[in-house]
Amino acid sequence: QTVVTQEPSFSVSPGGTVTLTCGLSSGSVSISYYPSWYQQTPGQAPRTLIYSTNIRSSGVPDRFSGSILGNKAALTITGAQADDESDYYCMLSMGSGNHVFGGGTKLTVL
Amino acid sequence: VQVVQSGAEVKKPGSSVKVSCKASGGSFSSYSFNWVRQAPGQGLEWVGGIIPGFGTTNYAPNFQGSVTITADKSSNTAYMELSSLTSEDTALYFCALGSTFDHWGQGTPVTVSS
Repeated sequence: QTVVTQEPSFSVSPGGTVTLTCGLSSGSVSISYYPSWYQQTPGQAPRTLIYSTNIRSSGVPDRFSGSILGNKAALTITGAQADDESDYYCMLSMGSGNHVFGGGTKLTVL
Repeated sequence: VQVVQSGAEVKKPGSSVKVSCKASGGSFSSYSFNWVRQAPGQGLEWVGGIIPGFGTTNYAPNFQGSVTITADKSSNTAYMELSSLTSEDTALYFCALGSTFDHWGQGTPVTVSS
């Protein structure tokens, strides 16, 4: 079974830059998986940040960017702010309308 | 675009529940309606999806056989039915619209308890 891997937790200083990654337990992530990224605060619905690797969803500030780094998808947050403290999930599209989420990364801004 | 889900449900083990997801503000027959589960304190898990205009459905392996996703094109509404409920089905269920999951519903809490 496909397992999508993410760092369980990450910490960044206010104003700093952080890169979260999204990998596969077996194989490499490429643009063919159309990686997407979601931000979620507890008790709220997720918010779509990035889709198709690097396309920002409407209203998402440009300090959020997506890319492929090596064999993983990546979400980079530049100029981190206090309200960026959230859980971040990546999702890969496996073809034929099937999708798999990663386990999520809890980002702390301090 | 708005996505509105039905309200909270409390069910007995062994019963079924049907949750709805209505989209408004456009025409969505060619959009996918996706269902995502979030168990208490856990991450997001894709359950399955449907494209009402094509009638095609897809299910994650973990949910094949226990979940049925349907849709009513005329009302831009998708449904997810969970059968033979157990306590492990207690979760918040989200609906997300589009292949890029652009628009999310508010979530429907489902509690399974005797």
